[in-house]
Amino acid sequence: QSVLTQPPSVSGAPGQRVTISCTGSGSNIGAGHDVHWYQHLPGTAPKLLIFDNTNRPSGVPDRFSGSKSGTSASLAITGLQAEDEADYYCQSSDTSLSGRVFGGGTKLTVL
Amino acid sequence: EVQLVESGGGLVQPGGSLRLSCAASGFIFSTYHMNWVRQAPGKGLEWISYISVTSTTTYYADSVKGRFTISRDNAKNSLYLQMNSLRAEDTAVYYCVRPAGWYFDLWGRGTLVTVSS
Repeated sequence: QSVLTQPPSVSGAPGQRVTISCTGSGSNIGAGHDVHWYQHLPGTAPKLLIFDNTNRPSGVPDRFSGSKSGTSASLAITGLQAEDEADYYCQSSDTSLSGRVFGGGTKLTVL
Repeated sequence: EVQLVESGGGLVQPGGSLRLSCAASGFIFSTYHMNWVRQAPGKGLEWISYISVTSTTTYYADSVKGRFTISRDNAKNSLYLQMNSLRAEDTAVYYCVRPAGWYFDLWGRGTLVTVSS
C-alpha cells in the first residue's frame, strides 16, 4: 500500500481535460509538505512534471498544472494528446518517515 | 549530456547478493545527495535509500533496512547499492535518482533485478 493514494486509472479523449488526484494525510501533504508529479513511460526514465505543487520545469507544456489543498493535491492535463498516455505519480515527504513517499501511480489512457 | 546510467542488475537466487552501480555524467556529482528508488512489477514507485554528499548520512526504507547499503565514490562519479539477503519481493527495476530539494529532477533508465530460484 502506497502512502499517497491515487486512482489506478483515468481516461479522456484527445483535446479533453483530465485530473488525477493524490490523497495523503496529516503527516505528509497535510503537514505542509510539497507535492511533486512525475510522468513515466514504461522502459524510460521517469520525468519530473510538476514540482513544489504548482511549478513546471523548463520544457514542460503549460497544459500540465498542479494544485494542492489540505491533505490532497491534483494534476490537471488540458488539451489531451496521444503522447500524454503514460503513468503519473505524485510524491511528497512524510514527517513520520525518513524519506520520500510516492503515490501508487495512475495510468492515463487517451481514448 | 546530463545523465545517470544504472548497471549491475540481473537474476539472483533468494538469499543472494547483488551490487548495483550508477554512473553519473554531465554534472558535478560530488555536490549532489543521491537516492535509489525502485518499482516492482505492476507496482508504484518506492523510495529505498538516500546518501548525503560526503556519505556521512544515509537513510533506508524499512523494507530494505539492514539488508541494503548505499555508498558512493565521488572521484568516480558513481553511486552504489549493495543488496544482501535478497527476497522475491525485492524484484524490481532500480532507479538511480538525483534530488533537487524535496523532489527528484534526474532519473536513470533503471536496471532490472529479479530474485528467483
